[in-house]
Amino acid sequence: DIQMTQSPSSLSASVGDRVTITCRTSQTISSFLNWYQLKPGKAPKLLLYAASTLQSGVPSRFSGSGSGTDFTLTITSLQPEDFATYYCQQTYTTPPITFGQGTRLDIK
Amino acid sequence: QVQLQESGPGLVKPSETLSLTCTLSGGFISSYYWNWIRQTAGQGLEWIGRIYSTGSTNYNPSLKSRVSMSVDTSNNQFSLRLTSVTAADTAVYYCARAVPRSTVFGVVHAFDTWGQGTKVTVSS
Repeated sequence: DIQMTQSPSSLSASVGDRVTITCRTSQTISSFLNWYQLKPGKAPKLLLYAASTLQSGVPSRFSGSGSGTDFTLTITSLQPEDFATYYCQQTYTTPPITFGQGTRLDIK
Repeated sequence: QVQLQESGPGLVKPSETLSLTCTLSGGFISSYYWNWIRQTAGQGLEWIGRIYSTGSTNYNPSLKSRVSMSVDTSNNQFSLRLTSVTAADTAVYYCARAVPRSTVFGVVHAFDTWGQGTKVTVSS
């Protein structure tokens, strides 16, 4: 299985801040990397696919980069609705599809 | 607008079988991969498996011996069965649609539509 390591596991930030979350894979996955946002009681939301392509309807303050084994999710100018948990996911080698362990983003 | 909704018992006894159904509205179950994912307390997301509209399945090797999935195209539903459950199977269970996205390096499958999740507790 491809192992996914996200960092940090949690972080605190303020509205208006810029934050970066990193995802590293145990083997190369080209750009077969997606990012999701989870909030309690709500349907998870696809933010970016193929490492850097913004899903329709997602604000442009979200961006992604990387290929191979190292990927980043960046949120510029944090908004109150962005405080959530973020997961990376690889779909390069299946089964199984695997996720990172998540990054919880809290309000400072 | 495509929507997914999970349904099933919120409480299952140890050693029994967990059964969940996901109902699709605003679209058709034909084509696409339909997935089950779970989130255990304090843990991340775990992919359980997927089923194509033809009935073809792929399961997570870690659960393969206990998992089965089925699809009912006439009712726009797909289902999950997990046998011999233990407390470790207590989780929020999600269903999700995977759509193919063409890119310069290949076809990437991304989960573009999810249900809100249903909490299942395994306890006597």
